[in-house]
Amino acid sequence: GAVVSQHPSWVICKSGTSVKIECRSLDFQATTMFWYRQFPKQSLMLMATSNEGSKATYEQGVEKDKFLINHASLTLSTLTVTSAHPEDSSFYICSARVSGQSNQPQHFGDGTRLSIL
Amino acid sequence: DQQVKQNSPSLSVQEGRISILNCDYTNSMFDYFLWYKKYPAEGPTFLISISSIKDKNEDGRFTVFLNKSAKHLSLHIVPSQPGDSAVYFCAASDLYGGATNKLIFGTGTLLAVQP
Repeated sequence: GAVVSQHPSWVICKSGTSVKIECRSLDFQATTMFWYRQFPKQSLMLMATSNEGSKATYEQGVEKDKFLINHASLTLSTLTVTSAHPEDSSFYICSARVSGQSNQPQHFGDGTRLSIL
Repeated sequence: DQQVKQNSPSLSVQEGRISILNCDYTNSMFDYFLWYKKYPAEGPTFLISISSIKDKNEDGRFTVFLNKSAKHLSLHIVPSQPGDSAVYFCAASDLYGGATNKLIFGTGTLLAVQP
């Protein structure tokens, strides 16, 4: 149980393109989902906390107009990288926590490798 | 400011021996700690956790030790197996005292278990 699916797993696109990444909880409901970014050989850095039915909470230094987050249902959160540039190239990972179980670990998707040419 | 640190970027261990991965933290508000295992191009997989009211938690071959006074935790894997080779991240959260339950990750330790 507690499977998180992330799609797509790999994206290559031209500079200026907007890219949408989906994060789905397949067998549970997730009131809260999290979006992380990982640069090579570095730690996972939390970008934002996505709450179903309300605005996402962004970490300091993360541009909310650049990284649009929508959490319209209890099983789906999306991250849209708007007007992506080469510096946005990174590994993006989402996680979800079972609703009502804040003391349980987050379950992660397999990540999306984003490469901007 | 790196609140969670894993000072060893890599560790090599012989199969069958014990692997000890270390993690230090600076924020005394952290009260919940987790270890995740990660393969390349995949998301992290949860291994084991411990709350600050305990100093040890065991699950099969995996044991996590917490030393609150030293702000240090460690993950012991025994016996180590080649399939354990991966990057291990420790993570911390102010789960019980905080409002957001955010996870702060360390930089990871690459474990290589030699057959």
